[in-house]
Amino acid sequence: AQSVTQLGSHVSVSEGALVLLRCNYSSSVPPYLFWYVQYPNQGLQLLLKYTTGATLVKGINGFEAEFKKSETSFHLTKPSAHMSDAAEYFCAVSERSGGYQKVTFGTGTKLQVIP
Amino acid sequence: IAGITQAPTSQILAAGRRMTLRCTQDMRHNAMYWYRQDLGLGLRLIHYSNTAGTTGKGEVPDGYSVSRANTDDFPLTLASAVPSQTSVYFCASSDQAGRANEQFFGPGTRLTVL
Repeated sequence: AQSVTQLGSHVSVSEGALVLLRCNYSSSVPPYLFWYVQYPNQGLQLLLKYTTGATLVKGINGFEAEFKKSETSFHLTKPSAHMSDAAEYFCAVSERSGGYQKVTFGTGTKLQVIP
Repeated sequence: IAGITQAPTSQILAAGRRMTLRCTQDMRHNAMYWYRQDLGLGLRLIHYSNTAGTTGKGEVPDGYSVSRANTDDFPLTLASAVPSQTSVYFCASSDQAGRANEQFFGPGTRLTVL
C-alpha cells in the first residue's frame, strides 16, 4: 500500500521568498513520485516527476524537488516565488496495482503569494 | 490541440436523476481515468480504462458506471444521483497505464446534487 502526506494545507510566502512545500510518502516498492499543480478552476498539470536516476528533479516554472529515500520525502522548492505561483499543489505516488496505474494523491497544499 | 475536454462545466441536479458526464481526449491515449475531488480528501479514483473496450473499478466506484466504446471517449454515468455525489469530477488520460506515466487532466465538471 502507498500513501502521501502533505504537511500544511495552506502555505503563505512573500513574493521573492523561498517556496518549500513538504511531501512524505509511504510505499512498499521503490516509489515513482509526482508533483502536480492546480490553478483555480482548472485541472491538474504535471510540474515534475521522479522515477529513477538523479534524485534532484527539475520541473517547469523553476520548481524542483529532491527524492530522499532515507527521509521518505519529496519536498518541492522554488528559490523565488512569483505571484503566478499561487495555486494548489499535489504530491502523488504511483504504482501498478490490480492492472492499472494507481496514483495516490496527497490532500494538497494551497500556496498563497503575498505581494 | 485541445487535450481533454469535459462537459458540462457545471451542473445542478436533483437527487434521483440520471446524469452523464462527458469526456473526450484527442491525444490518442490508451488509458483514461475518472476522479472526484473533495475538499480535504484530494483526488480519488472512481473508474479507469486501460484501453478501448475495457474498464475497471477504482477506489470509490459505487453509484457510478463508465464505458469505453472507442479510444477518445470515456463517459461517466450517475444512474440515480445522491447528495454525497456532489463534487468536482476530473477526467484524465495517459499514454499507457504504466506507473511512470504522466496523467493529463481535463478542466473538470462541478456537480451539485440537491
